[in-house]
Amino acid sequence: DIQMTQSPSSLSASVGDRVTISCRASQTISTYLNWYQQKPGKAPSLLIYTASNLQGGAPSRFSGSGSGTDFTLTISSLQPEDSATYFCQQSYSNRVTFGQGTNLEI
Amino acid sequence: EVQLVQSGTEVKKPGESLRISCKGSGYIFTNFWMAWVRQMPGKGLEWMGIIYPGDSDTRYSPSFEGRVTMSADKSINTAYLQLNSLEASDTALYFCARRSDIDVVVDGSNSHAKTFDMWGQGTMVTVSS
Repeated sequence: DIQMTQSPSSLSASVGDRVTISCRASQTISTYLNWYQQKPGKAPSLLIYTASNLQGGAPSRFSGSGSGTDFTLTISSLQPEDSATYFCQQSYSNRVTFGQGTNLEI
Repeated sequence: EVQLVQSGTEVKKPGESLRISCKGSGYIFTNFWMAWVRQMPGKGLEWMGIIYPGDSDTRYSPSFEGRVTMSADKSINTAYLQLNSLEASDTALYFCARRSDIDVVVDGSNSHAKTFDMWGQGTMVTVSS
């Protein structure tokens, strides 16, 4: 299976900060990389697909970049409601795998 | 409104079997793959497998092969997850998630982005003697 590794595992930031979360795949996955946000006690929700495409309804302060094995999720100006855990997920392989998550505290 | 509604909390004993349901509404149930993803307490997301309700084609993660069965009843727009021989380590939150394949261009070629664009609310399963 393709291993997905996120960094950092957790971070703390302030309202208005610019934040980046990294995700690395164990092999090249082109741009078949999605990002999800999960708030405590809730199901994940799709934020970004194919590395850089914003899902409808997701705030424009979220953006994604990368290809191959290295990817980044950026939040341009943190809002209180962005406090959540963020997961990357590769869809290159039919055997989908997720990163271990990044817990963002505001 | 597209919705996935899962069955309620389960408490099981080791060795027992589990069956969780996931009812879809607001879309054509048979046209979308449905995945099952679990999340152990405080941990990440683990893909268990996927079913296409249109023809019940299934693909299972090797981690669960032999212990898991996914099925679907098209007449009531409901997908099911059955997990046998439960262990304490199966204690987790289980989600169903609709897979939506979005047309994209990747490396200059037309392709599909496989995304999980709609999720159930989760079913908490506790396995304890």
